[in-house]
Amino acid sequence: DTEVTQTPKHLVMGMTNKKSLKCEQHMGHRAMYWYKQKAKKPPELMFVYSYEKLSINESVPSRFSPECPNSSLLNLHLHALQPEDSALYLCASSQRSKEQRETQYFGPGTRLLVL
Amino acid sequence: GEDVEQSLFLSVREGDSSVINCTYTDSSSTYLYWYKQEPGAGLQLLTYIFSNMDMKQDQRLTVLLNKKDKHLSLRIADTQTGDSAIYFCAGVNQGGKLIFGQGTELSVKP
Repeated sequence: DTEVTQTPKHLVMGMTNKKSLKCEQHMGHRAMYWYKQKAKKPPELMFVYSYEKLSINESVPSRFSPECPNSSLLNLHLHALQPEDSALYLCASSQRSKEQRETQYFGPGTRLLVL
Repeated sequence: GEDVEQSLFLSVREGDSSVINCTYTDSSSTYLYWYKQEPGAGLQLLTYIFSNMDMKQDQRLTVLLNKKDKHLSLRIADTQTGDSAIYFCAGVNQGGKLIFGQGTELSVKP
């Protein structure tokens, strides 16, 4: 089983709202990732968690706040977003991070629209 | 750092073979990947090849790796309309970061 699940599938929020995106995997993977993807562009890495600790933050604005409550769950808390943050947000997981032989498996994504 | 390049568009007729090409700069990537993204969906891992292999075949998919030229290709035999999608090749840099190409949009015409 190589399934990564994400909720919600779609989200519309105003610029003053607070919302959260959720990601879950039950493959025993110890690395989890958040990516942002604009239409017809490759995904851009935002955050990496390794063994439930934040290991990479790709200079993401503080209005995005990641959280890893346990080894199976990854959240992305959103607050005071801008319309340009509208995108597909993808979660991925792999056995470990920072290893060149670690395959990443992606979830279906959450399509976010900020009004 | 790693740079991965792909052509942006490919159009084929149903039943033909499709060949999607990719070039990369960093030869240290242990694995090279092909991901498929259908409209409105996430990325699906299609196949991957270990860097010490020249070829990998999986049903209708054939991956060829030319390490000397740093060239990777994905051949889809008997292309179907359901194969219409964006295909991303990706390598992994020395820090373990997945580096994607720009994606090739495959259009399959009946």
